[in-house]
Amino acid sequence: NAGVMQNPRHLVRRRGQEARLRCSPMKGHSHVYWYRQLPEEGLKFMVYLQKENIIDESGMPKERFSAEFPKEGPSILRIQQVVRGDSAAYFCASSPGQSLAKNIQYFGAGTRLSVL
Amino acid sequence: AQKVTQAQTEISVVEKEDVTLDCVYETRDTTYYLFWYKQPPSGELVFLIRRNSFDEQNEISGRYSWNFQKSTSSFNFTITASQVVDSAVYFCALSEAKIYNQGGKLIFGQGTELSVKP
Repeated sequence: NAGVMQNPRHLVRRRGQEARLRCSPMKGHSHVYWYRQLPEEGLKFMVYLQKENIIDESGMPKERFSAEFPKEGPSILRIQQVVRGDSAAYFCASSPGQSLAKNIQYFGAGTRLSVL
Repeated sequence: AQKVTQAQTEISVVEKEDVTLDCVYETRDTTYYLFWYKQPPSGELVFLIRRNSFDEQNEISGRYSWNFQKSTSSFNFTITASQVVDSAVYFCALSEAKIYNQGGKLIFGQGTELSVKP
């Protein structure tokens, strides 16, 4: 049973480039969450998606950030025109359902983004 | 607004000592879940436990135990006879109850870094 798979584990980008972070949820899970862990800070929620739908994007920065979870394939967190302040660990989590009873979120190993 | 506070930023203990990590939360919801996650030096987040707001029974799993007290809005985590492998950052989190009783985002505390020395 594969867990939540994130790739790449480490990503280096220069300022102005695009970063694409991928997340494949656990088998049978149709709900995906993205969190960001900035240096010296805790984990902050970014976005919650179900297949082909964004459920809650209240934690997403207004510009340059977008997320999708298509019918087929992994969830993608996309950061356009990266800046140094985007350097962080980005974690994806998945859960099997939407009800509170099913909302145990299992996390991937994260993608460490470094912006030069 | 929902909030989770882990007042202890760092704790250092010697192996075999017991250690308690504190977690205090704020929420207006009557239905919510509380979680603990472990982040070892390798960086991944490992799920440890989830409790719902209607179940105040303490839970024990091996050397780990959790004390949930609604009266003080606390959900503390105790490691008995700590080991070096317990060294990690531990996060307490709260899950909101959104519309239609749906699960949603986790609100994390700042984390407590536990260092267990041999």
